[in-house]
Amino acid sequence: AQSVTQLGSHVSVSEGALVLLRCNYSSSVPPYLFWYVQYPNQGLQLLLKYTSAATLVKGINGFEAEFKKSETSFHLTKPSAHMSDAAEYFCAVSDRGGGNKLTFGTGTQLKVEL
Amino acid sequence: DTEVTQTPKHLVMGMTNKKSLKCEQHMGHRAMYWYKQKAKKPPELMFVYSYEKLSINESVPSRFSPECPNSSLLNLHLHALQPEDSALYLCASSQAEGMNSPLHFGNGTRLTVT
Repeated sequence: AQSVTQLGSHVSVSEGALVLLRCNYSSSVPPYLFWYVQYPNQGLQLLLKYTSAATLVKGINGFEAEFKKSETSFHLTKPSAHMSDAAEYFCAVSDRGGGNKLTFGTGTQLKVEL
Repeated sequence: DTEVTQTPKHLVMGMTNKKSLKCEQHMGHRAMYWYKQKAKKPPELMFVYSYEKLSINESVPSRFSPECPNSSLLNLHLHALQPEDSALYLCASSQAEGMNSPLHFGNGTRLTVT
């Protein structure tokens, strides 16, 4: 079964600093990979997705992620954190042949400090 | 603003009550989903409808009964729930059931079972 592991349930950065949220996937073939963000009392919003077109994927709000097959990773980065980036971030995976069964990681709470 | 609308935003119900959660989207999407999210946890898939037919049921107890009256609407009927069913219930939609189409989430219904 597909799965993703998010290292670090809580990450804290200073405003203006680099954001790095880690995600590793478990799959025998390259899956579809996603990053979602959830603000308090809201649903999930898609940040970006990887579907094999390009290994460096740019998303909304200045986020990007790089698919590295050799490391089975799909880490999320943003060069400069903003206070509004404070939220819960979920990495998710789906089997290419498995319909729309998204499997989410356990999430990383990002805190941005002044 | 989210393009997937869920009502009500909050719901408190007793264990003997019958209630329904409603979800609506007008993006022309043909796949709709119910997810359950407990506090500090990732969303868990419950049901998937594709072209108004139930395509995935993740072994959800029968006290949860989904319904898809048409391509824009998705309901979740609740009966004889348990306190442990208290959670945020998220509806989502996507263009189709293939995984090139990302999920669009509503803001959820926060359910409390007393």
